[in-house]
Amino acid sequence: GEDVEQSLFLSVREGDSSVINCTYTDSSSTYLYWYKQEPGAGLQLLTYIFSNMDMKQDQRLTVLLNKKDKHLSLRIADTQTGDSAIYFCAEGRRGGADGLTFGKGTHLIIQP
Amino acid sequence: EAQVTQNPRYLITVTGKKLTVTCSQNMNHEYMSWYRQDPGLGLRQIYYSMNVEVTDKGDVPEGYKVSRKEKRNFPLILESPSPNQTSLYFCASSSRTSYFETQYFGPGTRLLVL
Repeated sequence: GEDVEQSLFLSVREGDSSVINCTYTDSSSTYLYWYKQEPGAGLQLLTYIFSNMDMKQDQRLTVLLNKKDKHLSLRIADTQTGDSAIYFCAEGRRGGADGLTFGKGTHLIIQP
Repeated sequence: EAQVTQNPRYLITVTGKKLTVTCSQNMNHEYMSWYRQDPGLGLRQIYYSMNVEVTDKGDVPEGYKVSRKEKRNFPLILESPSPNQTSLYFCASSSRTSYFETQYFGPGTRLLVL
């Protein structure tokens, strides 16, 4: 069945780059997403990548997709305290039309 | 403002007392879903709806019901809540014509079943 795996925690120093990794199993996924959830808040879409792309960059965010290995990563450059949150990787076949499969989320902890 | 609203935001109830969590979106989206979020388990889909009167089970549908009588509303019904349904619930919607925009999430409903 479909499965999305992420590490549960990542700790980085303020100002360093954070790299959050994700692996997925469904080769028919057409879109892959990164969501951010701040404490007590809902989910905020950070970025997405279409499965025929290798990389997408959006300001401090860089998404890399290795479709052969079914590996997705999110790099946050110059990590700030405001980046402290849970980051969810998710996959979908129709842009979420019939739902997304989420990973368990990675807690990003920022050290001063 | 485009949004997904849920009510109530917080709810404490007792085992067996029927409850409904409402979800409404103002974006004329065809697709709507319900998820539950539990520590260490991430988000899991409960039910989804691809249009009015069309609903289907997600990964964890047991103990839940939904209905989609109108396009904008997608209520989640717990006929006989149990403590294992204590969770954070999210409603989401998306458009059939904008796949890449993925889903818009509501603010969440925190439910405690005693």
